[in-house]
Amino acid sequence: GIQVEQSPPDLILQEGANSTLRCNFSDSVNNLQWFHQNPWGQLINLFYIPSGTKQNGRLSATTVATERYSLLYISSSQTTDSGVYFCAVGGINYGGSQGNLIFGKGTKLSVKP
Amino acid sequence: DTEVTQTPKHLVMGMTNKKSLKCEQHMGHRAMYWYKQKAKKPPELMFVYSYEKLSINESVPSRFSPECPNSSLLNLHLHALQPEDSALYLCASSQGGLAGVIASTDTQYFGPGTRLTVL
Repeated sequence: GIQVEQSPPDLILQEGANSTLRCNFSDSVNNLQWFHQNPWGQLINLFYIPSGTKQNGRLSATTVATERYSLLYISSSQTTDSGVYFCAVGGINYGGSQGNLIFGKGTKLSVKP
Repeated sequence: DTEVTQTPKHLVMGMTNKKSLKCEQHMGHRAMYWYKQKAKKPPELMFVYSYEKLSINESVPSRFSPECPNSSLLNLHLHALQPEDSALYLCASSQGGLAGVIASTDTQYFGPGTRLTVL
């Protein structure tokens, strides 16, 4: 099946710093979502981005589908950005026609004041 | 509105108890999902419902019994669970496609989860 790898696994930042999180995937996708899981467990949709670039406030994401990776940029980080960031992919080749999302293992981000 | 609600937020149960988890969405979505997430792991798919019909069961033990009484509501009935079933149970929904086919391009929206402890 498809492999989804996220890096780094852990990241510690000072408030105000910028960061880049990476998601590599081993097969073509037509669904890629970035989520933020807060300390209470809620999975919050950040981006639906199977290709291209999107921005939402301090967050932006880029997916280069032909090279099978996606990047999530966090600028001017705040303590409320802490949590786990998941990349999840879907595609017809591996059950995607049923809406399956395959999650990476996540990047745990800690932002210190 | 992209809200999926789940109740209860927390649940503690014994191995002989029967309990149910509830999930509700009012976005008109026709696909609903149950995921299980163990600590420090990513969510894992358990069940998918499309147009109130079960379309995927990821080899989940029969002590977990899903039910979709209508297009807005998804239940997960629990019976004779084991301590290793303790986890965060997440519900999600997505638009769903025509004729009951879920498009691989569907965006999934998650509820806040139920944190289950089995004693």
